[in-house]
Amino acid sequence: QLQLQESGPGLVKPSETLSLTCTVSGGSISSNNYYWGWIRQPPGKGLEYIGSIYYSGSTYYNPSLKSRVTISVDTSENQFSLKLSSVTAADTAVYYCASHLAAAPNNWFDPWGQGTLVTVSS
Amino acid sequence: QPVLTQSSSASASLGSSVKLTCTLSSGHSSYIIAWHQQQPGKAPRYLMKVEGSGSYNKGSGVPDRFSGSSSGADRYLTISNLQSEDEADYYCETWDSNTHKVFGGGTKLTVL
Repeated sequence: QLQLQESGPGLVKPSETLSLTCTVSGGSISSNNYYWGWIRQPPGKGLEYIGSIYYSGSTYYNPSLKSRVTISVDTSENQFSLKLSSVTAADTAVYYCASHLAAAPNNWFDPWGQGTLVTVSS
Repeated sequence: QPVLTQSSSASASLGSSVKLTCTLSSGHSSYIIAWHQQQPGKAPRYLMKVEGSGSYNKGSGVPDRFSGSSSGADRYLTISNLQSEDEADYYCETWDSNTHKVFGGGTKLTVL
């Protein structure tokens, strides 16, 4: 059974780059059955999709964040990562990693990581 | 790209039933959606998928009190015999091809 766990700094300064890692257990990130994704939730607000990556490195990013987002995969560590550049206070949020099946049409997110709060402040 | 619309809030009494709605935008009424539950302070949890036909499939461990249905562009989540632990935010999710994902704004359910 897949389990995902986010890790990374809880505080990032404005204009710097936010970096998070998601460690996958209970399965291989190299599996061709799954995509690996990031979602965020600002305090008191709803969910926002950031992007997804396939084990091959193929990515899709939310157009609203695309210019600042990079998602990568490290098959040797069974991890995937998120980098968000030029952050502002508006990027303060709980960041979740999650997986979804690659085969259409069953592409919903399941399971989810527990989430990690990242605050952007000087 | 599809847009999902949800009411911001709903309320119902303990032991009663409630039906939450997620509406797909024009041109996307056939799309499958997924419902997720987010209890206070916790990560979202997948509940079920609901198809345009009205069929639904629940995730592992989801109580029988939860069911799904559909009518046109509307996808529903019905919770029967409401319990206090059902007080949560409920989000719908859909996707355009494998990875173009969209979430609704969420419905905050209060159990009275």
